[in-house]
Amino acid sequence: AQRVTQPEKLLSVFKGAPVELKCNYSYSGSPELFWYVQYSRQRLQLLLRHISRESIKGFTADLNKGETSFHLKKPFAQEEDSAMYYCAPVLQAAGNKLTFGGGTRVLVKP
Amino acid sequence: DGGITQSPKYLFRKEGQNVTLSCEQNLNHDAMYWYRQDPGQGLRLIYYSQIVNDFQKGDIAEGYSVSREKKESFPLTVTSAQKNPTAFYLCASRLGQSGEQYFGPGTRLTVT
Repeated sequence: AQRVTQPEKLLSVFKGAPVELKCNYSYSGSPELFWYVQYSRQRLQLLLRHISRESIKGFTADLNKGETSFHLKKPFAQEEDSAMYYCAPVLQAAGNKLTFGGGTRVLVKP
Repeated sequence: DGGITQSPKYLFRKEGQNVTLSCEQNLNHDAMYWYRQDPGQGLRLIYYSQIVNDFQKGDIAEGYSVSREKKESFPLTVTSAQKNPTAFYLCASRLGQSGEQYFGPGTRLTVT
């Protein structure tokens, strides 16, 4: 069965510290990978997708096909990064069925 | 103003009543989705639709029903058979088989 796992439900870091959100998937094939973010009182929105290979708000995500992981990283966390983060692998063979990881809440303390 | 809308923002119902949540999009997206969001459980897929007049069950479809009579609209009915209906419900749309999902603001349903 296709699964996506975000092992940490809560990550609490101090401002300026690095933060890494883990995402592991068990899909066969080559999924396209997305990270979504939900800030307080805002809609869930796309943060970044691995195919674009860009850094958004200082975040990067590395796809490791060998480990089937797509961890999200930021070297220096800011208070405005406090939010809920969801990993979402998309497998073309699954058509339009899209499932998400359980989410990780990030709390950046001053 | 383009985008995806959900109404109402808050909804209260008595146990045993069916209730329908609205989701509308003017993005011309083919695919639409319903998720429920519960603390500690992330987003779980209820139903999705790839085209008009077609929809598929997600991971937790029991107690829910949907319709897709128009491309712009994908209403979700929470029936009395749903054992734990109190939750935050999110609707999303997507252009095709690639690309990001766009989410609505959500509807918080409370059943007492």
